[in-house]
Amino acid sequence: EIVLTQSPATLSLSPGERATLSCRASQSIRKYLAWYQQKPGQAPRLLISDASNRATGIPARFSGSGSGTDFTLTISSLEPEDFAVYYCQQRSNWPPITFGQGTRLEIK
Amino acid sequence: EVQLVESGGGLVKPGGSLRLSCEASGFTFNKYSMNWVRQAPGKGLEWVSSIGYNNYYMYYADSVKGRFTISRDDAKNSLYLQMNSLRVEDTAVYYCARTSNSWDFWGQGTQVTVSS
Repeated sequence: EIVLTQSPATLSLSPGERATLSCRASQSIRKYLAWYQQKPGQAPRLLISDASNRATGIPARFSGSGSGTDFTLTISSLEPEDFAVYYCQQRSNWPPITFGQGTRLEIK
Repeated sequence: EVQLVESGGGLVKPGGSLRLSCEASGFTFNKYSMNWVRQAPGKGLEWVSSIGYNNYYMYYADSVKGRFTISRDDAKNSLYLQMNSLRVEDTAVYYCARTSNSWDFWGQGTQVTVSS
């Protein structure tokens, strides 16, 4: 089973700042990593697929990078609506499909 | 507009059964693989089961294997999860999600509570 480790667990930033979230895989997953955003009481929303492809309707301030075992989600300038929990997910070697434990992005 | 609407959740005693449904609209359901994922209170996301289009595959997490059964009815644009021998640790919000490269659309979820 591929384990995904997200860091940090919690990130405290202010609107307008840059956010950098990390996801590390226990073995190579090539490019097959997705990022999701979840707000309280809502379903997760796809942000990025295949490491760097923005999903339809996702603002350009969200970008993804990486391959192999190390991946990054960057939010270039935080908007108030960006404060949420972010999960990474791998589909390279499954079953099982696995998720990271999440990074909580909170307002400083 | 793509929509996924889950139903069938509720309160059940340990050892009981529930059948979840996910009704799809706004896309050609029979061309997509589908998934169930759950989220226990205050916890992260846990994959439960996946089914391929045309029933090409059915996979389960070890935690539910032998107790849960995934199925689909393409004529009704619906996905199902039959859950038997429920345990307290199965308590969660259950989401269905569509596979298109990644999981691009999700339902709003249905709450399953297993408690005596």
